[in-house]
Amino acid sequence: TQLLEQSPQFLSIQEGENLTVYCNSSSVFSSLQWYRQEPGEGPVLLVTVVTGGEVKKLKRLTFQFGDARKDSSLHITAAQPGDTGLYLCSSLNSGYALNFGKGTSLLVTP
Amino acid sequence: NAGVTQTPKFQVLKTGQSMTLQCAQDMNHEYMSWYRQDPGMGLRLIHYSVGAGITDQGEVPNGYNVSRSTTEDFPLRLLSAAPSQTSVYFCASRKGDTSGYTQYFGPGTRLTVL
Repeated sequence: TQLLEQSPQFLSIQEGENLTVYCNSSSVFSSLQWYRQEPGEGPVLLVTVVTGGEVKKLKRLTFQFGDARKDSSLHITAAQPGDTGLYLCSSLNSGYALNFGKGTSLLVTP
Repeated sequence: NAGVTQTPKFQVLKTGQSMTLQCAQDMNHEYMSWYRQDPGMGLRLIHYSVGAGITDQGEVPNGYNVSRSTTEDFPLRLLSAAPSQTSVYFCASRKGDTSGYTQYFGPGTRLTVL
């Protein structure tokens, strides 16, 4: 099972600030996904990255996959209270179920 | 499509009781999984299935049983509930091919074992 380490564990910022969260592994990812989980709900997929060096944008969210495919980052520009939630990275575990990191809990206050 | 549905949404059990958490999906997905989520622990895989009649253990399978008699349903059984099984349980499903592996999650079951 691939170990996924996410940092920081908690992040509390004010509306309008920028932030970056990270997902790292000691082994190469075949591909990596980012999910967001809002309180009381199940995780929802944000993006899948596959190619080393790949950058994907989703409105104010920018996802980057490291060149060596061992790390990924999620950058949020001008955070809003609606961005509050738990951000999880995941990878395929032996080709069947997904393996998840422990997540970064983000709180954006007005 | 209803997606992935889970019942019940909340449940309180006494130590030693048994129960079944229900999960169903209407997307004809081959793969289904059960996760538990505890504070600071992320999502941990309990059991998964790659098709009807095929199941396997995940990271934390002890105390749980599963079966998959149909493509749609994947129930999780707690044999003898323990306080350590207090958690939020999520069922998930996805396609089994390599064209993409977006995993769809249910809304969760919040279980408390007293």
